[in-house]
Amino acid sequence: QKEVEQDPGPLSVPEGAIVSLNCTYSNSAFQYFMWYRQYSRKGPELLMYTYSSGNKEDGRFTAQVDKSSKYISLFIRDSQPSDSATYLCAMSESGNTPLVFGKGTRLSVIA
Amino acid sequence: KAGVTQTPRYLIKTRGQQVTLSCSPISGHRSVSWYQQTPGQGLQFLFEYFSETQRNKGNFPGRFSGRQFSNSRSEMNVSTLELGDSALYLCASSSVGGNEKLFFGSGTQLSVL
Repeated sequence: QKEVEQDPGPLSVPEGAIVSLNCTYSNSAFQYFMWYRQYSRKGPELLMYTYSSGNKEDGRFTAQVDKSSKYISLFIRDSQPSDSATYLCAMSESGNTPLVFGKGTRLSVIA
Repeated sequence: KAGVTQTPRYLIKTRGQQVTLSCSPISGHRSVSWYQQTPGQGLQFLFEYFSETQRNKGNFPGRFSGRQFSNSRSEMNVSTLELGDSALYLCASSSVGGNEKLFFGSGTQLSVL
């Protein structure tokens, strides 16, 4: 079992839809939870960052962490064609330890 | 503020050769991490350098090595290339103790023929 599991998709939704992306993990020592977005032929860019459990909202994006279930989610409201990208979840035990990434979910938002 | 710069952008090598990739971090960032990205395995951690010292190392063979210079610029080297080394190699920088907020370059796409 990999440390971080993420459904690779692809996921295709119409413009304006609510998108739900998820990851599960097995290492209970993870404390930091991130979502990165990667456009084609680009490096990943940090989208959301959460420490420990709870929710965090930034515009159309909401990140949720449930440590008891070892499950994290990213919700995208009012999805736009510009949201079409690969979304990667990532986790780490501390600020000094490497990030462990999921394999990424490819999202297409159709106009 | 300039982002993370990686050179070259594309590279084609043959089996058995060696290759050196370069990374210039964001100004003021002293930590540089390297990741390998493939369709099958996703992003896998190679190593991290901080103040010219390797701080963390992933589970890759000794053919993969790196170093960091006093100006925080970093290089990674792969010797005796194998077909399976074909991948996108990503460099990321972060501030001290800030690995939860990595800033990635656009990567070097390495093809081994």
